[in-house]
Amino acid sequence: AQSVAQPEDQVNVAEGNPLTVKCTYSVSGNPYLFWYVQYPNRGLQFLLKYITGDNLVKGSYGFEAEFNKSQTSFHLKKPSALVSDSALYFCAVLSGGYNKLIFGAGTRLAVHP
Amino acid sequence: NAGVTQTPKFQVLKTGQSMTLQCAQDMNHEYMSWYRQDPGMGLRLIHYSVGAGITDQGEVPNGYNVSRSTTEDFPLRLLSAAPSQTSVYFCASSPLLGTAPPGTNEKLFFGSGTQLSVL
Repeated sequence: AQSVAQPEDQVNVAEGNPLTVKCTYSVSGNPYLFWYVQYPNRGLQFLLKYITGDNLVKGSYGFEAEFNKSQTSFHLKKPSALVSDSALYFCAVLSGGYNKLIFGAGTRLAVHP
Repeated sequence: NAGVTQTPKFQVLKTGQSMTLQCAQDMNHEYMSWYRQDPGMGLRLIHYSVGAGITDQGEVPNGYNVSRSTTEDFPLRLLSAAPSQTSVYFCASSPLLGTAPPGTNEKLFFGSGTQLSVL
């Protein structure tokens, strides 16, 4: 079965510093990977996806993610963090014959002024 | 265009009671799904539907029923509520999730959630 793992419950970073939120995946076949963000008391919002092509994927709000097949990773990155980036971030993988989006446990990002 | 609308926003039930969480979308999306969100466990898929009249189980379907009589609506029914069903429930829809091959528009649009407490 397809799955993703987010090894960090929380990531703390100072405003202006680069940030990385980690995600590793386990799939059979081609991986289709996603990042979503959840702000307090809101539903999830799509950030970006990797289907095929370039290993560096650019998404919303200045975020990007790097797909690494040899390390089975899909880490979310941003060159300069903002306090407003503080939220819960979820990695997800498409599964079940493209019918199911399976989410990781989430990583809370805290950006300090 | 309201997107995905969930009602109610909050609900408290007693053990054994039944209720229906409502979900409606006005984007003509074929795919709809229900997730529950629990601390430390992320979002887990309960049930999903790839079109009117078609439903299937997700990761944690026990204790929940769904139906899809129209494209717009996808209600989630709790048959006999249990404290283990205390959670935040999210409905989500997508224009093309479930349509092979991926690469066009698999983005999920989420509702704002229903916070359910079962005492």
